Amino acid sequence: SQKIEQNSEALNIQEGKTATLTCNYTNYSPAYLQWYRQDPGRGPVFLLLIRENEKEKRKERLKVTFDTTLKQSLFHITASQPADSATYLCALNPTGTYKYIFGTGTRLKVLA
Amino acid sequence: KAGVTQTPRYLIKTRGQQVTLSCSPISGHRSVSWYQQTPGQGLQFLFEYFSETQRNKGNFPGRFSGRQFSNSRSEMNVSTLELGDSALYLCASSLTGDAYNEQFFGPGTRLTVL
Repeated sequence: SQKIEQNSEALNIQEGKTATLTCNYTNYSPAYLQWYRQDPGRGPVFLLLIRENEKEKRKERLKVTFDTTLKQSLFHITASQPADSATYLCALNPTGTYKYIFGTGTRLKVLA
Repeated sequence: KAGVTQTPRYLIKTRGQQVTLSCSPISGHRSVSWYQQTPGQGLQFLFEYFSETQRNKGNFPGRFSGRQFSNSRSEMNVSTLELGDSALYLCASSLTGDAYNEQFFGPGTRLTVL
């Protein structure tokens, strides 16, 4: 069956450290993968998009990798801050469709 | 540029009733998608509209329906409400709905079914 899995348990890290979140998918061959941030009671906010032919994408303190062989994307936040505390969701668009499938999200808490 | 707006923000209904939720996308965006978010199931795709046409539908019963108007505004309707329909309903707009477009989400409508 088709699945997108993220660490369901919360991730607690110390301020200043690098947070690494994982997104694994099975039975999909997406051309693009997206990452979103969601704060409690709010809609998700787009962060980054990476294409299948890109190994890595950066934006300020954020970095995303995309390994189509492993069927995995990693999302890194360097020099993490308490304001980075939120739930992070990965999403992909099955080829040939206009629907987005979201992972269950990983709740990140950055401790001061 | 105004963001995606959803109305109402909160709604309380009883079982068996029906409900209509509204979404106004960002100006110029022609694709609107709807999602249901619950603690147990996460964010689940309901359907996507582009130029008044539904292009994709998620795995939800026929009680869930939607439509899009010529100005790209969209509505979704849930008939014969069940307790399990209690959720945050989110809409998202994008330029064309293609996979390389980012989606912009509204604040959601919190539906409670009693």
